[in-house]
Amino acid sequence: DAGVTQSPTHLIKTRGQQVTLRCSPKSGHDTVSWYQQALGQGPQFIFQYYEEEERQRGNFPDRFSGHQFPNYSSELNVNALLLGDSALYLCASSFLGRNSYEQYFGPGTRLTVT
Amino acid sequence: QKEVEQDPGPLSVPEGAIVSLNCTYSNSAFQYFMWYRQYSRKGPELLMYTYSSGNKEDGRFTAQVDKSSKYISLFIRDSQPSDSATYLCAMIPMYSGGGADGLTFGKGTHLIIQP
Repeated sequence: DAGVTQSPTHLIKTRGQQVTLRCSPKSGHDTVSWYQQALGQGPQFIFQYYEEEERQRGNFPDRFSGHQFPNYSSELNVNALLLGDSALYLCASSFLGRNSYEQYFGPGTRLTVT
Repeated sequence: QKEVEQDPGPLSVPEGAIVSLNCTYSNSAFQYFMWYRQYSRKGPELLMYTYSSGNKEDGRFTAQVDKSSKYISLFIRDSQPSDSATYLCAMIPMYSGGGADGLTFGKGTHLIIQP
């Protein structure tokens, strides 16, 4: 049973550019949440997708947007990159309704903005 | 004041010792409490979760929640060098309509088990 997968593993971008990160949830899961983890900090909730719609959003600007596809996979897009966007971006999947608090994380995508 | 407070450490203990990791929180809406383990440059791994107050045991790990004090703990018995990692507490409200919000994490405690 494949767990949560994310791509790419690492990414280097320049300030002002745009980036797209991808996530495939654990088999049987229908909900995807995205988190940003800065060095030495705990993950911060960005947003959550269910049924191809954004359900909840944390305290992140509109430069952060997402999408969920019919197969439950998801993308995170960040526009107009800032140096402060450098972080580990984590995707977590869960099954809404039953044990939806159990969120399982992927390995993350490490984004460096120069 | 942050919603979840966790001492970042590092916490260094000898192999075989009992480890106690703790978090305090301020939001009384939190109902589910989780502990994640994160190895360097990896994603967090769910260790245990507890609903409301009480204890839960799984092998060498015991999670405790005291909602009256807004305080949660993770105990590790017979600690091993392989337990060396960052331990993150996380919590989440559960609204009456079902579903869940995103997790709110502590900063993580860096644990070192010395052989």
